Amino acid sequence: DAGVIQSPRHEVTEMGQEVTLRCKPISGHNSLFWYRQTMMRGLELLIYFNNNVPIDDSGMPEDRFSAKMPNASFSTLKIQPSEPRDSAVYFCASRTTGGGEQYFGPGTRLTVT
Amino acid sequence: ELKVEQNPLFLSMQEGKNYTIYCNYSTTSDRLYWYRQDPGKSLESLFVLLSNGAVKQEGRLMASLDTKARLSTLHITAAVHDLSATYFCAVNMEYGNKLVFGAGTILRVKS
Repeated sequence: DAGVIQSPRHEVTEMGQEVTLRCKPISGHNSLFWYRQTMMRGLELLIYFNNNVPIDDSGMPEDRFSAKMPNASFSTLKIQPSEPRDSAVYFCASRTTGGGEQYFGPGTRLTVT
Repeated sequence: ELKVEQNPLFLSMQEGKNYTIYCNYSTTSDRLYWYRQDPGKSLESLFVLLSNGAVKQEGRLMASLDTKARLSTLHITAAVHDLSATYFCAVNMEYGNKLVFGAGTILRVKS
């Protein structure tokens, strides 16, 4: 299996622009998680989906952030408009619901100037 | 609300020495995970501990879980430089599929 796939790996954009991050979970995994990691705040869970349905979005910072999972093999995290404080590494992870570990993607390093 | 605390947050140790990283959590859970993260890289699963008294070992690392004490330990034996990384513990919420991560322990092994 190719593991969790994320794109792009790096994104540099200007403040105010829309940013879309993409994730393909491991085939057969029915839970998907979006995290953000910064030096100041550590690893934060933004939102997670079970069977393509958003279950907990309490970690989404504000209305500028939105996430979708239109099918079992694809999810997006969108930031509109982006701000410099959104600069971070965004990880996507997936797992089955049987109690096993989460498998993390390589991350997207976002820089907003 | 589930809280997960790791200590120490930073550990500098000499090669060949032993040390333990502690992970405490605040509410009932019987599933705990340890991850490793190298600088600039993603998180890699090390251990999955699914029951009270579970012990897992891989090379120089050994993890254990005491659900009654709400404590997990990651023991490092005869540290080598290659073990330098950040180590996270994560605890599964009692209900649902969400993990709560500790702040991470930065380990530096000096030769």
